[in-house]
Parts: sequence; structure tokens; C-alpha cells
Amino acid sequence: DAGVIQSPRHEVTEMGQEVTLRCKPISGHNSLFWYRQTMMRGLELLIYFNNNVPIDDSGMPEDRFSAKMPNASFSTLKIQPSEPRDSAVYFCASTRLAGAYNEQFFGPGTRLTVL
Amino acid sequence: QKEVEQNSGPLSVPEGAIASLNCTYSDRGSQSFFWYRQYSGKSPELIMFIYSNGDKEDGRFTAQLNKASQYVSLLIRDSQPSDSATYLCAVNILAGTASKLTFGTGTRLQVTL
Repeated sequence: DAGVIQSPRHEVTEMGQEVTLRCKPISGHNSLFWYRQTMMRGLELLIYFNNNVPIDDSGMPEDRFSAKMPNASFSTLKIQPSEPRDSAVYFCASTRLAGAYNEQFFGPGTRLTVL
Repeated sequence: QKEVEQNSGPLSVPEGAIASLNCTYSDRGSQSFFWYRQYSGKSPELIMFIYSNGDKEDGRFTAQLNKASQYVSLLIRDSQPSDSATYLCAVNILAGTASKLTFGTGTRLQVTL
């Protein structure tokens, strides 16, 4: 099993540019989570999907952020326009949808730097 | 008050000693509790989960849960330099059939030679 796949691994962009982060969950997993990690705020949940449907996007910081999951094997997180304060590591995680005790498997993350 | 609180550390323990990592949570409806380890520059990986009061042991690791005190801890016996990492406590607050985790900010552990 290849694990959760994220791309790109590193992204450097200038303020105002659009950024798209990509995630492929583990095959057979039907819950997908997008997190953002910074030194100041730790690991924060942005949004999660069950069976490709967004369940809770209350963690999305503002309208500049959007996420989609068009099918069970692909999700994107888009920031438009990007700002320097968006600089962080963005993790995607997946798990099987079956209650409280399932392990979330994390991808390697995308380190985003907005200049 | 934060939903999940941890001391940021660093917690420094000598090799071979017991490391004790602590976590408190605010939501009494929390169902299950997870400890993740994160090496610098890497992604979090699960060490243990616990959902019943008491102790749960797995090798050198023991998770302890006290729901009345809203407290969960992780003990690492015979600490090794390879245990040096940040340990994240996470709480599962069920919402319907979802499995939403809320993470603490983590405790950095340093195991010294």
C-alpha cells in the first residue's frame, strides 16, 4: 500500500497567487481530512469528507480556502488568493468511516511558503 | 480554554528513564483518545489509542485514561534517543458517523544520552 499521497511536497509562491494542493487517500478509505500545522497553532482540522461529501468545513479560515473531493481517490485544497499568513505545512489524512476508533493515516504533507 | 491541552515542553529525560506525557481535554462527551508521534519534518503517526478508563499497554508504551478528571497520559518506559519527537494528544469528539480528531499542540520529548 502506497499510503496517503500528497503533491506537491513543497510549494513556494508569491502573495496573491492561486495554490492548489492535492491528495490521494489510501484505497478503501472513505473519510478524508485536511489539516494545517504551524508552530503557533499546532495541527488544525480545516475540513473533512465522508464518502466524498464535505461534512464539516468550520475550520476553513476564510473564503479564500476551498476544498473538493470529486471522487473517492482524489481531493484538492485551493487557496485563492494566497497570503503570507497561509504559510504552513498542510497534511491530508484518511481513514475508514466506521466510528470512533479508527486510525487516521497522514500523508507526508505539503510545505507551503507564501512570499 | 483550549479543547485539548498539552505542555509544550521540551521534556528532557535520560536514556533508560520513564517519560510521562500528559494531556487534558474539555469535552466530557469525548469518546476516544489517541497519541501520535511526530518526528521533525515528518507526518504524525499513531502510537496508541484508548477509550476505556484505566491503562492500556503496548510494548514500552502505556496509555492511561481518567474520564472523570478528563485526563489522558502516555508513559514511555526505557526511553531511547529514538523516542525524541513531538507527541500529539488527539481526542475524538463524535458527530454523527464522523471521526473528527482535535489535536493538542504537542509535547516535545528529548531523550538524552
